[in-house]
Amino acid sequence: AQSVTQLGSHVSVSEGALVLLRCNYSSSVPPYLFWYVQYPNQGLQLLLKYTSAATLVKGINGFEAEFKKSETSFHLTKPSAHMSDAAEYFCAVSEGGNQFYFGTGTSLTVIP
Amino acid sequence: EAGVTQFPSHSVIEKGQTVTLRCDPISGHDNLYWYRRVMGKEIKFLLHFVKESKQDESGMPNNRFLAERTGGTYSTLKVQPAELEDSGVYFCASSRLSGHSTDTQYFGPGTRLTVL
Repeated sequence: AQSVTQLGSHVSVSEGALVLLRCNYSSSVPPYLFWYVQYPNQGLQLLLKYTSAATLVKGINGFEAEFKKSETSFHLTKPSAHMSDAAEYFCAVSEGGNQFYFGTGTSLTVIP
Repeated sequence: EAGVTQFPSHSVIEKGQTVTLRCDPISGHDNLYWYRRVMGKEIKFLLHFVKESKQDESGMPNNRFLAERTGGTYSTLKVQPAELEDSGVYFCASSRLSGHSTDTQYFGPGTRLTVL
């Protein structure tokens, strides 16, 4: 069965610092992987997705994630945090069905 | 293009009452999904519609939950009678293509349900 682990329910970074949000998954087949972001009072917005093409995926707002099969990871990074990046981030996996399996989310705080 | 909309944004009811949540998907999206997030936990799949048909309802917690999508447009999720453990945020999502797993699912803002 699929599962997604997001290490760190809360992450704080200084403005301009590297953002690293961790996601590990378990899957019995090659997965499809997604990162969503939820800003306050808004719906989940797709940041990026991995669908078995390039392992380094670039998304919106300067975010990217790298699929590492050997580590079963899909960590999200951004070189320089902006205040506007403060939000909750969700990693999700799909194995070919219609269900997405989500992690518990990571709340990102950006300190000025 | 308008996004996925959900109504109401918040609902506070007492245990034993009935609540109906509504979701309007993006126009033209045949696939509609319901998810739920209980506080502090992961977002969990409830069910999937393709047009008006239930494709997968394996995530529905029990028979107090009833989802409909008459006419293949908007969907409702009714909880009757509500219990304390039903509290959480209910998300709706829609996708355009055939429901393939690589489809982007577009999410609404959610309905926050509190059962007292």
